[in-house]
Amino acid sequence: DIQMTQSPSSLSASVGDRVTITCRASQDIRNSLAWYQQTSEKVPKSLIYSASSLESGVPSRFSGSGSGTDFTLTISGLQPEDFGTYYCQQYHYYTYTFGQGTKLEIK
Amino acid sequence: EVLLLDSGGDLVQPGGSLRLSCAASGFHFNTYAMSWVRQAPGKGLEWVSSIDSGGLRTFYADSVKGRFSISRDLSKSTLYLQMNSLRAEDTAVYFCARYKGALKEHFEHWGQGTLVTVSS
Repeated sequence: DIQMTQSPSSLSASVGDRVTITCRASQDIRNSLAWYQQTSEKVPKSLIYSASSLESGVPSRFSGSGSGTDFTLTISGLQPEDFGTYYCQQYHYYTYTFGQGTKLEIK
Repeated sequence: EVLLLDSGGDLVQPGGSLRLSCAASGFHFNTYAMSWVRQAPGKGLEWVSSIDSGGLRTFYADSVKGRFSISRDLSKSTLYLQMNSLRAEDTAVYFCARYKGALKEHFEHWGQGTLVTVSS
């Protein structure tokens, strides 16, 4: 089975900081990688798909990159509403594996 | 506006059954693949099952294969998840999700979730 590994599992940052979260797939998934955000509102929200395409309505401070097995999510200029948990997900294989999540907390 | 309204969550005993529903509106339901994703208390997201736009192809996580069944009623624009032989480890919030399009795409829209608790 394909595994998705995120790092770090948690991090603390301040408003205005630049933050990077990485996601590694155990097999080549081309660019079939999405990033989701889950805040206190509880419902996951799509941010990035196809590794680097920004979902409609998502602020441009969010960006994604990578292909194959290594991917990153970058948030440039953290805002208070950005704190929560971030998940990567592969959809190249019909098992739609999620990473374990990265909890982003206020420093 | 795309709306997905999850319902059917409840407290059920181990070994019991439950059917979840996801009422869809704001888009052509028969054009999009759909999925169920769950989240156990304090845990991360876990994909459960998916179905193509026509309801002909279905996929399941190993953890629910043989116990859960996904289906869709195109006339009612509703997605279902029939859950049998429920176990304590099935306790979670269950979200329905709509793909951006077909099965090899991401989950673009999510329902608000419905809580399933399996306990005696």
